[in-house]
Amino acid sequence: AQSVSQHNHHVILSEAASLELGCNYSYGGTVNLFWYVQYPGQHLQLLLKYFSGDPLVKGIKGFEAEFIKSKFSFNLRKPSVQWSDTAEYFCAVKAPGGSYIPTFGRGTSLIVHP
Amino acid sequence: DAGVIQSPRHEVTEMGQEVTLRCKPISGHDYLFWYRQTMMRGLELLIYFNNNVPIDDSGMPEDRFSAKMPNASFSTLKIQPSEPRDSAVYFCASSLGRTGDENIQYFGAGTRLSVL
Repeated sequence: AQSVSQHNHHVILSEAASLELGCNYSYGGTVNLFWYVQYPGQHLQLLLKYFSGDPLVKGIKGFEAEFIKSKFSFNLRKPSVQWSDTAEYFCAVKAPGGSYIPTFGRGTSLIVHP
Repeated sequence: DAGVIQSPRHEVTEMGQEVTLRCKPISGHDYLFWYRQTMMRGLELLIYFNNNVPIDDSGMPEDRFSAKMPNASFSTLKIQPSEPRDSAVYFCASSLGRTGDENIQYFGAGTRLSVL
């Protein structure tokens, strides 16, 4: 069965700290990878995506993610977080074949203190 | 397009009552998803439809939950009878297709359900 793991359920940082949120998945083959963000009281929205090509993907608001095939990982990073980055972050992975829909991780809650 | 529209935004009900959540997907999207979000379990996929047909309902927790999609522009998630443990935020999402950018899901604002 498809599995997406986000190891950190809660992360607390101070402004200007660097951020890295882990995402690992459990199957091989060509995958499509996504990070979604949910700001407090809002719905999920796409932050960035990877389908192919350069494994370092840049998204909105200074976020980036790196696909490392050998590690089955797609970690989200930001060099310097802001208070406004406080949100829930979800990794999603779509494997070829099967259900053709992405499987979401359970999410990581990020709190940034001013 | 107005995006995915869910109603109501908030629902407070008593245990044993029937609850109906509604969703209008983005026009032209072939896939519709229902998710439940709780602190304990995170985001869970309950069921999804392709072209109005339920494809996978393995995430539906119990027979008390049912979902329908009578046409391409409307879906309901019903809980009957409701229980306090059903309290959660329920999201509806839709996507265009199943490859590349078509896989991107667009979420509604959610319905916050409280069962007393």
